[in-house]
Amino acid sequence: EAQVTQNPRYLITVTGKKLTVTCSQNMNHEYMSWYRQDPGLGLRQIYYSMNVEVTDKGDVPEGYKVSRKEKRNFPLILESPSPNQTSLYFCASSSLRTGGVIYGYTFGSGTRLTVV
Amino acid sequence: TQLLEQSPQFLSIQEGENLTVYCNSSSVFSSLQWYRQEPGEGPVLLVTVVTGGEVKKLKRLTFQFGDARKDSSLHITAAQPGDTGLYLCAGDLTGGYNKLIFGAGTRLAVHP
Repeated sequence: EAQVTQNPRYLITVTGKKLTVTCSQNMNHEYMSWYRQDPGLGLRQIYYSMNVEVTDKGDVPEGYKVSRKEKRNFPLILESPSPNQTSLYFCASSSLRTGGVIYGYTFGSGTRLTVV
Repeated sequence: TQLLEQSPQFLSIQEGENLTVYCNSSSVFSSLQWYRQEPGEGPVLLVTVVTGGEVKKLKRLTFQFGDARKDSSLHITAAQPGDTGLYLCAGDLTGGYNKLIFGAGTRLAVHP
């Protein structure tokens, strides 16, 4: 089954304790991205990657890091989490059509993160 | 500034009614997608349109891309309670921005 797998699904952590949210896709998609979704603010892009070793900032990258060492994996790293990073996080992937057009995301099931 | 304006923001209807959701922008998109999201879950892709004037049908759902590729609509015929959810439009801007722009969403509730 074609899917994007995120782990963990739920996470409660304390301020300052480094954490990693994993994301893996099995569709050989070039494009991968991380979003956070907050009430009233919608989906906001954190980072994206056009291909292996190619990553770039989205709209809200502060406090986050990513890496793309393999095509299928795109982990999200919070080096020193703070309460304002409490949110629902989604990883997504997409194939790219001619000209780099993003054709449509497959989203993971989400990670609900609480930082206390 | 919201590049993709969705309307209405909320919609509460009875089973069997028809409805239309709009997604408008002053920008041109290479592709535009519609997603449906249920609480606590990731959005699920319903359709992608890429050609101006394109119309796609998915059972009771009809999607249209504007001729100028700046706007889109989603029409649901004879809505059912299973259609309840958050509907999101998203567009890939022309010009190599390498990102999808999401609308704020339309929250639909269909009552039996």
